[in-house]
Amino acid sequence: DAMVIQNPRYQVTQFGKPVTLSCSQTLNHNVMYWYQQKSSQAPKLLFHYYDKDFNNEADTPDNFQSRRPNTSFCFLDIRSPGLGDAAMYLCATSRDPGNQETQYFGPGTRLLVL
Amino acid sequence: QKEVEQNSGPLSVPEGAIASLNCTYSDRGSQSFFWYRQYSGKSPELIMFIYSNGDKEDGRFTAQLNKASQYVSLLIRDSQPSDSATYLCAVTPSGANSKLTFGKGITLSVRP
Repeated sequence: DAMVIQNPRYQVTQFGKPVTLSCSQTLNHNVMYWYQQKSSQAPKLLFHYYDKDFNNEADTPDNFQSRRPNTSFCFLDIRSPGLGDAAMYLCATSRDPGNQETQYFGPGTRLLVL
Repeated sequence: QKEVEQNSGPLSVPEGAIASLNCTYSDRGSQSFFWYRQYSGKSPELIMFIYSNGDKEDGRFTAQLNKASQYVSLLIRDSQPSDSATYLCAVTPSGANSKLTFGKGITLSVRP
């Protein structure tokens, strides 16, 4: 089945220790998104890639970076995690960037910062 | 700041009742409207989307859109305990892109 996969599902890291979250997709979609969702809050878009074009949200901290080495994979790097970065990180894809395109979400990675 | 507002909830209905979930948005130029269901600890799952004014039905779910009032709703008929979840309203803003702005969600509890 075509799908969006995120690894790991749970990640524990230490304060200030870099961490990388992974997303892959078999949908062959052109757009990949990263969202941060804290408890009882709305998912917040961090950035997205349209093909190789990177689009950062204005309020995304510099501590968050992303890489998309090919169509199938996208990574979220948190360079120096703080306690406030503990959250669910959601990867999503859409076929194209048009405003009627549906986004499909992966299962998420829950990050805990100690 | 373009916002999507949902009733604070939580909403509790008995099994078999109609659940009505409401959402308002601030950007009058918003193009597309989505309802996602999110079970606790899980990722959002698309329930319905609607682009035009009026009603759109899919099984037990009906989405209603009123662009003049900047209002979108989701009705769930014959509510089941398995419908208990948080429902997120999401909107694509004016402009030709698929970036979603989400509401905080409303938690629905269906009592057996």
